[in-house]
Amino acid sequence: SQTIHQWPATLVQPVGSPLSLECTVEGTSNPNLYWYRQAAGRGLQLLFYSVGIGQISSEVPQNLSASRPQDRQFILSSKKLLLSDSGFYLCASAQYGYTFGSGTRLTVV
Amino acid sequence: QKEVEQNSGPLSVPEGAIASLNCTYSDRVSQSFFWYRQYSGKSPELIMSIYSNGDKEDGRFTAQLNKASQYVSLLIRDSQPSDSATYLCAKGNTDKLIFGTGTRLQVFP
Repeated sequence: SQTIHQWPATLVQPVGSPLSLECTVEGTSNPNLYWYRQAAGRGLQLLFYSVGIGQISSEVPQNLSASRPQDRQFILSSKKLLLSDSGFYLCASAQYGYTFGSGTRLTVV
Repeated sequence: QKEVEQNSGPLSVPEGAIASLNCTYSDRVSQSFFWYRQYSGKSPELIMSIYSNGDKEDGRFTAQLNKASQYVSLLIRDSQPSDSATYLCAKGNTDKLIFGTGTRLQVFP
């Protein structure tokens, strides 16, 4: 079965600072990978997904970007964080169903 | 119209009762449907998937799908306080999983 690693678990960043969140997957190869964001008390919003190395699809225009430099690595980045970027960021991998990592809770102050 | 709609709740049921969670979706193309459970502050975990019309049972959980009515539901029998969580309905759409905003379930002793 697949395991998804996300770090850090919590992050507090000032407005205008850069961001890099990393997700790595074990136990599978060539998975579809996803970044979701969940604002406080809200549902899961799909931000980006990737069906292969270097292939990124963006769902919501914003100041975030994603990259997939390796088969089992998915990175979410921002050059300058906004207050509205605060939320719970989840990486997911699709093999037999969608499995989520433990998430990163980002607070932009 | 949202792609996946759920009543936000809370749905309150006594311990031992059947909890019924409902979800509607907006298209006739989606072929796969999922129920996730999310405890407060945690990432979602897959409970069940369903692909065909009818019922699918797994332990205390039964998923029901009606594609003609664009309706999917989750029944939880013998509800326990540990079932108190937010339940997310999702539909598979090509390479993506689209979530509803979730229904909060409260099971009281």
